[in-house]
Amino acid sequence: TAGITQAPTSQILAAGRSMTLRCTQDMRHNAMYWYRQDLGLGLRLIHYSNTAGTTGKGEVPDGYSVSRANTDDFPLTLASAVPSQTSVYFCASRKEPGGMYNEQFFGPGTRLTVL
Amino acid sequence: RKEVEQDPGPFNVPEGATVAFNCTYSNSASQSFFWYRQDCRKEPKLLMSVYSSGNEDGRFTAQLNRASQYISLLIRDSKLSDSATYLCVVNENNYGQNFVFGPGTRLSVLP
Repeated sequence: TAGITQAPTSQILAAGRSMTLRCTQDMRHNAMYWYRQDLGLGLRLIHYSNTAGTTGKGEVPDGYSVSRANTDDFPLTLASAVPSQTSVYFCASRKEPGGMYNEQFFGPGTRLTVL
Repeated sequence: RKEVEQDPGPFNVPEGATVAFNCTYSNSASQSFFWYRQDCRKEPKLLMSVYSSGNEDGRFTAQLNRASQYISLLIRDSKLSDSATYLCVVNENNYGQNFVFGPGTRLSVLP
């Protein structure tokens, strides 16, 4: 089972350009998440989706948008990239949005550099 | 502000050593607790959940002290393969969007 796949693995992007980071899971999990990880900081939630057709804002949503047209896919779009969006982006999923000890599973990450 | 704090590290220990990591959290209403492991340039993976009574998985023991808002992870008989960053994770209301991640503590086990 592939679990969660992300694409691209890494990308260098010029400031002002747009980009979509792709995330696909094959576990039929209802909930999906996008995090960014920066040196010295914990993972911070950008956006989430508790079920197909719904999305919500996390801790750091500005400059990012998401959609959840189906269960498997949860793309993250940067409309106009800025250097502060240089980070490692992790997509994650969870079988159900709630539950005390439901594990979050993570994709391999996308390393994005905005110049 | 939501906050989870961890020992800053890094911890450099010889093979076979016992090492303990500490984590504190600010929200007293937090519901569930986890330790995740993250290898260099890889994704985080669940190491173990932390239960109220404490729990053990092989060489790993996790403890929770709700009164002090403190979580610990003990690794006995360290192996080279234990070298990684250990993330303390607190869930404030059992919903996935409320996972709060600590910055991590890096462990290097030396031969």
